[in-house]
Amino acid sequence: QKEVEQNSGPLSVPEGAIASLNCTYSDRGSQSFFWYRQYSGKSPELIMSIYSNGDKEDGRFTAQLNKASQYVSLLIRDSQPSDSATYLCAVNARDYKLSFGAGTTVTVRA
Amino acid sequence: EAQVTQNPRYLITVTGKKLTVTCSQNMNHEYMSWYRQDPGLGLRQIYYSMNVEVTDKGDVPEGYKVSRKEKRNFPLILESPSPNQTSLYFCASSKGSLNNQPQHFGDGTRLSIL
Repeated sequence: QKEVEQNSGPLSVPEGAIASLNCTYSDRGSQSFFWYRQYSGKSPELIMSIYSNGDKEDGRFTAQLNKASQYVSLLIRDSQPSDSATYLCAVNARDYKLSFGAGTTVTVRA
Repeated sequence: EAQVTQNPRYLITVTGKKLTVTCSQNMNHEYMSWYRQDPGLGLRQIYYSMNVEVTDKGDVPEGYKVSRKEKRNFPLILESPSPNQTSLYFCASSKGSLNNQPQHFGDGTRLSIL
C-alpha cells in the first residue's frame, strides 16, 4: 500500500466550477498535511497546509482534513484556467520524512 | 530574495561518469532534502539532512550520496550514474523539522544518463 494516494486524474472542469481533489494516507500518526501545485516544467509550490481536523480556507482554496478517516482533500472554487496544473498531496508522518502522492492533473476548460 | 538554488539545471552525461548536483539555500534552514520525480510516481525522497553533518536515507537512496558540511549547502552525488537515474531532481529546504513547516523547492535539475 502506498503511503499517500491521490485520486487518479486527469480531472477536467469547466471554468467557474469547483474542482475536488482527494488524498488518503496510510500512517495514522501523520501530523502535517500539505497541498502543492506544480505547473508543467516547474517546481512544486505550497498552496495550502493543514494540521488539525476540519476545514481551512484560503481564498478560493479550501483544505479539509479528517484524521479518523485518514483523508485530506482540496477544493478549488471558481476554477480558473490558471489553476490548470498538477496538485500534489504531501503528508508528514515523522518529523523528517515527507511523503508525496503521485499527483492529480487538473485542466480547467475555458 | 529567499531561494533554493540548484545547479546545473540540465545535464546529459554517460553511464559511470561521476557527477554532482549542487544545492544551496539562503534562508538559514536546518532541514534540506533531495527528491526525484518520475512520471506516475510523484516525488520520492532520496536523502535528507536535519542539520550540519546529520543525514539520513529517504525512500530511494541507492546509487546516491550526500554530504552536509555547511548549513547552506547539500550536494547530491552520483558516483557511477546509470540510465535508471535519469529523472527530474528537486532540492528542498525548510526551517526545523517538517512538522508544521512547509518546504521550499529549487527549480529542479533534469538529468539524462545515456
